[in-house]
Amino acid sequence: QVHLQESGPGLVKPSETLSLTCTVSGGSISRDYWSWIRQPPGKGLEWIGYVHHTGTTKYNPSLKSRITTSLDTSKNQFSLKLSSVTAADTAVYYCARIVGVLGSAFDIWGQGTMVTVPS
Amino acid sequence: DIVMTQTPLSSPVTLGQPASISCRSSQSLLHSDGTTYLSWLQQRPGQPPRLLIYKISNRFSGVPDRFSGSGAGTDFTLKISRVEAEDVGVYYCTQATQFPYTFGQGTKLEIK
Repeated sequence: QVHLQESGPGLVKPSETLSLTCTVSGGSISRDYWSWIRQPPGKGLEWIGYVHHTGTTKYNPSLKSRITTSLDTSKNQFSLKLSSVTAADTAVYYCARIVGVLGSAFDIWGQGTMVTVPS
Repeated sequence: DIVMTQTPLSSPVTLGQPASISCRSSQSLLHSDGTTYLSWLQQRPGQPPRLLIYKISNRFSGVPDRFSGSGAGTDFTLKISRVEAEDVGVYYCTQATQFPYTFGQGTKLEIK
């Protein structure tokens, strides 16, 4: 059974870069698409982007200029870097798998990690 | 961006009674490949979202058959035939027909 686990600092200073890693266990990262989604406290979900082992990436245009994603098949991990953060980037960050045969649905989610950017 | 609008935003329901959530998209979600990339997620309190329905009406593995999805084009519905206590949470529709993927604002299901 595939399991996802996010890791990274819970506090990031304004203007610095938020860095998160998602570790995939129970399955290979060399298939499907791997995505990041965030949820500000008490609010809804926002898609950040995805990465594929072929190097294909897609990002939300609202964040595109600040996002970098990468994937490490040797560690079965993928990562997110979000630069120049502000208090508006405070959210629970989730990693999730996108499966094409399921209509590109997010079928497996990590537990999420809270990242706070103080104002 | 495709805007996903859910109604109602809050739905108090009596245990054992049905519930229905509507999701309307600002553009048709029918992709040129013939697939409609509309799914439904459930987020229980303090938990990550969980996939319930994909491609409009397909129940994901382990999802009880009291959950069903329907619709086409721009109008979609999630129905719960008989609400149980474990169904409390927020429900989101989401589309993957066009980038960026977008979500509805969420519908909070609570027990009366």
